[in-house]
Amino acid sequence: QVQLVESGGGVVQPGGSLRLSCAASGFTFSSYGMHWVRQAPGKGLEWVAFIRYDGSNKYYADSVKGRFTISRDNSKNTLYLQMNSLRAEDTAVYYCAKDRLVYGDYPYYFDYWGQGTLVTVSS
Amino acid sequence: EIVMTQSPATLSVSPGERATLSCRASQSVSSNLAWYQQKPGQAPRLLIYGASTRATGIPARFSGSGSGTEFTLTISSLQSEDFAVYYCQQYNNWPPSITFGQGTRLEIK
Repeated sequence: QVQLVESGGGVVQPGGSLRLSCAASGFTFSSYGMHWVRQAPGKGLEWVAFIRYDGSNKYYADSVKGRFTISRDNSKNTLYLQMNSLRAEDTAVYYCAKDRLVYGDYPYYFDYWGQGTLVTVSS
Repeated sequence: EIVMTQSPATLSVSPGERATLSCRASQSVSSNLAWYQQKPGQAPRLLIYGASTRATGIPARFSGSGSGTEFTLTISSLQSEDFAVYYCQQYNNWPPSITFGQGTRLEIK
């Protein structure tokens, strides 16, 4: 069965950096685009970033462009999110999510989600 | 950016009754729309994609309709496990972007 397990969350000061990881299993990781989606406490869902199955294309929400970098290691079945210049408004649960379309060129929608990892930006 | 607006913010319905949730896009997204259900402390679950196709394992009481800018999620006969928050999501291919509605909380009346 598909499993997505996020790690790397924690408390960081404003302006700091953090790297999230998502370990994937139960499907052919290298065939699917992957996403990061976040949810601030008590708020709705916000898409953060997408990476194509082969890592050749990446797309970001305007709110994180230039500060966050999505990447993947298909040999390790792992997705990453490098977060720099963190702000208080980046505080959220960060979910790793699998795109439904095999070999999709663009972000579509999410058929499996991890349980999330909490990032708190606070001094 | 395409803005998704869901209504109502909160919907109170009795078990066994029908619930109708709405989602409007600020510009046409064709049929590039998905619906998710989220329960407290859990990750979202995909219900509907392509505006009207049920995802694997989703009961037939869930149905989606619409295209362009107006979409509807209907739950025909509410079960206790259906009370949750529901989100719509558009996926526009160019420029590539994803946006969610703000959610509709479906609560027991």
